[in-house]
Amino acid sequence: DTGVSQDPRHKITKRGQNVTFRCDPISEHNRLYWYRQTLGQGPEFLTYFQNEAQLEKSRLLSDRFSAERPKGSFSTLEIQRTEQGDSAMYLCASSLESQETQYFGPGTRLLVL
Amino acid sequence: AQSVTQLDSHVSVSEGTPVLLRCNYSSSYSPSLFWYVQHPNKGLQLLLKYTSAATLVKGINGFEAEFKKSETSFHLTKPSAHMSDAAEYFCVVSERGGADGLTFGKGTHLIIQP
Repeated sequence: DTGVSQDPRHKITKRGQNVTFRCDPISEHNRLYWYRQTLGQGPEFLTYFQNEAQLEKSRLLSDRFSAERPKGSFSTLEIQRTEQGDSAMYLCASSLESQETQYFGPGTRLLVL
Repeated sequence: AQSVTQLDSHVSVSEGTPVLLRCNYSSSYSPSLFWYVQHPNKGLQLLLKYTSAATLVKGINGFEAEFKKSETSFHLTKPSAHMSDAAEYFCVVSERGGADGLTFGKGTHLIIQP
């Protein structure tokens, strides 16, 4: 069990560019979650997958955000036309369907200039 | 809808003294409750969880929390603080088996004075 991994760990981009982040969950976990954490705040739920199906999306997930989990394993989160307000830590977590405990990755810190 | 209020944004204690981090929650269901810890430049780590079994929950590193339904509270305690406990602590609520994601409080920054 290698835990949840995320790539890249840091990303600096210019406003208007597109960025994509990857999350690899714990191998036997069928649920995968994305959260966003801004400075001084707790993480906020964005979306979650059960296997390859995206089952819930927060109203925080604007049209510029899209997430996929095509084979029910790793997931990607893409932000199009980034804005300075998108600067945050993006966290991924995974869990078993039978358990509520979520295990978090180290996060991807995004800075939009 | 679920929500969490952490009553203190910062708590400072001396090493070796007790720690109390306060949390109140609101939920329409019978929620599950968690405490997570976040050390600088490290991922969120689960300290403990309550899922409608015993109301006093023991976690890792000597931490424990007591679920009090009548007070809608889930305060985190530790008898004796250690320097390594300095971190950000989040109280978290989950409804519907996690289908709506976890709802985090804003966090309490724990400072340990030598």
